[in-house]
Amino acid sequence: QQPVQSPQAVILREGEDAVINCSSSKALYSVHWYRQKHGEAPVFLMILLKGGEQKGHDKISASFNEKKQQSSLYLTASQLSYSGTYFCGTELGSNYQLIWGAGTKLIIKP
Amino acid sequence: DTGVSQDPRHKITKRGQNVTFRCDPISEHNRLYWYRQTLGQGPEFLTYFQNEAQLEKSRLLSDRFSAERPKGSFSTLEIQRTEQGDSAMYLCASRDLELGDTGELFFGEGSRLTVL
Repeated sequence: QQPVQSPQAVILREGEDAVINCSSSKALYSVHWYRQKHGEAPVFLMILLKGGEQKGHDKISASFNEKKQQSSLYLTASQLSYSGTYFCGTELGSNYQLIWGAGTKLIIKP
Repeated sequence: DTGVSQDPRHKITKRGQNVTFRCDPISEHNRLYWYRQTLGQGPEFLTYFQNEAQLEKSRLLSDRFSAERPKGSFSTLEIQRTEQGDSAMYLCASRDLELGDTGELFFGEGSRLTVL
């Protein structure tokens, strides 16, 4: 039931792009994306609801393919501040628990 | 509003002792979650509350774990007879579902437990 994230880790140069994927074997109600820096609490990035919408702010955007039960997080022109571990969380319904993936570690080098 | 606060931030205890963590959510948030996180892993669901009602508990939660949210405000997570395997970061998060489906989770800084 835990969503599967890929890749497990990414190393980029500043300015490069990255894509992080999150897939589930069950029909999803929503997908959440959070970033966590070492020793800190996870911080909200965005929520996507079923319907295949795409969201974004600044240079971070995400899509949700309801048919494939997949979400992708896109980071363009990465900045050093983007470093951290990215988690997707999935819900099967509004009264279901939020289940988290194992995370994708993103390292940005100058 | 100062966000979600957790106390204590760090707790070192000996195996067999009981520990209690407290979480103060954002005041108007009706939903409160407890997660456990170990190094290199995502948050693992423990339990959650809608106001004062505990709606779900993880099957991973043994009888040694109990959580309460009296009056739908702050919450406590107690671990009895701690074991070394309980060593982890315990995260609390709150959410306002009055916002509808876009309610993001606000996490506290976590309570790190070390069981010797």
